[in-house]
Amino acid sequence: KAGVTQTPRYLIKTRGQQVTLSCSPISGHRSVSWYQQTPGQGLQFLFEYFSETQRNKGNFPGRFSGRQFSNSRSEMNVSTLELGDSALYLCASSQDSSGGEQFFGPGTRLTVL
Amino acid sequence: GESVGLHLPTLSVQEGDNSIINCAYSNSASDYFIWYKQESGKGPQFIIDIRSNMDKRQGQRVTVLLNKTVKHLSLQIAATQPGDSAVYFCAENYNQGGKLIFGQGTELSVKP
Repeated sequence: KAGVTQTPRYLIKTRGQQVTLSCSPISGHRSVSWYQQTPGQGLQFLFEYFSETQRNKGNFPGRFSGRQFSNSRSEMNVSTLELGDSALYLCASSQDSSGGEQFFGPGTRLTVL
Repeated sequence: GESVGLHLPTLSVQEGDNSIINCAYSNSASDYFIWYKQESGKGPQFIIDIRSNMDKRQGQRVTVLLNKTVKHLSLQIAATQPGDSAVYFCAENYNQGGKLIFGQGTELSVKP
């Protein structure tokens, strides 16, 4: 069974631009969660989607948004990029939204210049 | 954000020794805990999990211990190997679906 895939793997943007990251969960998994990882703040929860609905949201500004499609694939968008948005963005999938085992993708490394 | 990610503690062990990585979690209502291993350039990899109705769970070469009284979690790795070198994170979930709260991580270095 294929694992969680994320595209692109690396991305360089400039301040003020926007970016869209994509995540394909493991086949059959319906829950997708997004996390931001930085050296200073560690791994922080962004949001979770289940059956195309946002179930949970972390403490991030409204510039961070996401969505989930009917095939469970998910995208996250960051608008008006800031230097501090440079991070590894990780996607994790699980079978449902009951708080069970989550499987992570390799992440997208975003650099904002 | 809700995680604490400041200074990363390190643990250095000799190959073949046992390793113990500790974690203090934040919420006494948390009912599910996971240990992840993250190697450089990769996403976190699931190692083992435990629910709050248990205090010990064993896997292959790994054991997780849960002490709810002091909100403490530990990961024991038997016969540590160079391939175990990575950053290890504990994560907790308190009835919030897919929302995991991660600890700061511990870097394990295994000397051959």
